[in-house]
Amino acid sequence: NAGVTQTPKFQVLKTGQSMTLQCAQDMNHEYMSWYRQDPGMGLRLIHYSVGAGITDQGEVPNGYNVSRSTTEDFPLRLLSAAPSQTSVYFCASTRVSGTEAFFGQGTRLTVV
Amino acid sequence: AQSVTQPDIHITVSEGASLELRCNYSYGATPYLFWYVQSPGQGLQLLLKYFSGDTLVQGIKGFEAEFKRSQSSFNLRKPSVHWSDAAEYFCAVDLTGGGNKLTFGTGTQLKVEL
Repeated sequence: NAGVTQTPKFQVLKTGQSMTLQCAQDMNHEYMSWYRQDPGMGLRLIHYSVGAGITDQGEVPNGYNVSRSTTEDFPLRLLSAAPSQTSVYFCASTRVSGTEAFFGQGTRLTVV
Repeated sequence: AQSVTQPDIHITVSEGASLELRCNYSYGATPYLFWYVQSPGQGLQLLLKYFSGDTLVQGIKGFEAEFKRSQSSFNLRKPSVHWSDAAEYFCAVDLTGGGNKLTFGTGTQLKVEL
């Protein structure tokens, strides 16, 4: 199994551009989440989903949109990129009744 | 709001020495507790977790952690550190148990001297 796959691994955007970070899991997990990691701040929850068609906001949702049309995919959309969104983004998935979150390898995003 | 504190930003130990990484959480109830490790350029890997029961939990790679309710702590330990343990370690809590709404500490960077 591939587990949690994130694409792209690296991305440079110009301020104001939009893009979508892709996340796919092949473990049939119901729960999926997006985090951003910034130096000295650990990981912070952006958005999460408890199943297809159900999403909710985390701690730092501003500037990001998500949707969950299938169990496997949970894309994160940056509507109008800002330098403050320069970060490493991690997607994670969890079984409904499980306890462990499985993380992707991350996407390093730079907004100039 | 729940919070997680890892008071040590950097720790350096000699190979073969023992290790203890501190983690304190701030919340009224006992949350679900996790330790994750992140190697450079990699995602996070679960070391161990505590939900209930025995307060001393064993994890992978020879790590263990002890939950102390009176101190709101969940410290990570290893009796003898290997050079390959050099990485960043994150303590995390989750109130829901689903593992999808984690609150992380700021991390402890471990350096191992040979």
